Amino acid sequence: GENVEQHPSTLSVQEGDSAVIKCTYSDSASNYFPWYKQELGKGPQLIIDIRSNVGEKKDQRIAVTLNKTAKHFSLHITETQPEDSAVYFCAAPTGANNLFFGTGTRLTVIP
Amino acid sequence: DGGITQSPKYLFRKEGQNVTLSCEQNLNHDAMYWYRQDPGQGLRLIYYSQIVNDFQKGDIAEGYSVSREKKESFPLTVTSAQKNPTAFYLCASSIVGGEETQYFGPGTRLLVL
Repeated sequence: GENVEQHPSTLSVQEGDSAVIKCTYSDSASNYFPWYKQELGKGPQLIIDIRSNVGEKKDQRIAVTLNKTAKHFSLHITETQPEDSAVYFCAAPTGANNLFFGTGTRLTVIP
Repeated sequence: DGGITQSPKYLFRKEGQNVTLSCEQNLNHDAMYWYRQDPGQGLRLIYYSQIVNDFQKGDIAEGYSVSREKKESFPLTVTSAQKNPTAFYLCASSIVGGEETQYFGPGTRLLVL
C-alpha cells in the first residue's frame, strides 16, 4: 500500500519569505497529489492539487511540483503572509480507493 | 449552500458509553470517509464507504462502527470498546473513491468525562 512521508514537521519563516514543504510517496502507480491547509479547530481545506500528467501547477502564490521519477512532490508558498500560518497536509492515493495523508507541517509566518 | 456538516461540534462521553457522530453531505458524492486526528499524527482512516450499504475498514477501525443507509449520511459510532476515544474526528466525501478530491467537514471533538 501507499506510504507518504512529509518534511519538515515544523517550519518558521519571516513574512514575505518563501516556504517549501516536501512529501515522498511509495506507490509508483499514484497519479493524484493534493495539498490541504488546516486552520486551528477546523477541517482541512484543499488548496492545490496536481495530477501526474504535469510537472508543476501554480495558483497565485501557491505552487506544487511533482517528480514522478523520484516519487516526491512539493508545496511552494511565495511571499508568505501571517494568514498562511496553519498545518499543511499532503496526500497520495492508496490502492484501496482512498487517500493516505502525510503527518502534517506546522507553518508559522513571523510578522 | 452545499457542503459537509458534522454534529455536534463537541461531544462528551462517559465510561462505557457508546456515542454517535453525525456526518451529512449534500454534494451528491458517492464516497464518504471518517478520520481520526491526534496531535502530531496527521489523519488516520477509520472507515470509508464508496456506495450506499457498503463500507470498508480503514487503518484504525477497532472500537468504531459505521452505517451507510443513505447516500448523504455516514454516521460514526464510537463504542465502549474504544479505550482512548479522545480525538478530533473528521468526516469527508468525494465524488467517487480513489484519486479524487476529498472535501472535509468542520470536525467533532470528542472528550471523555
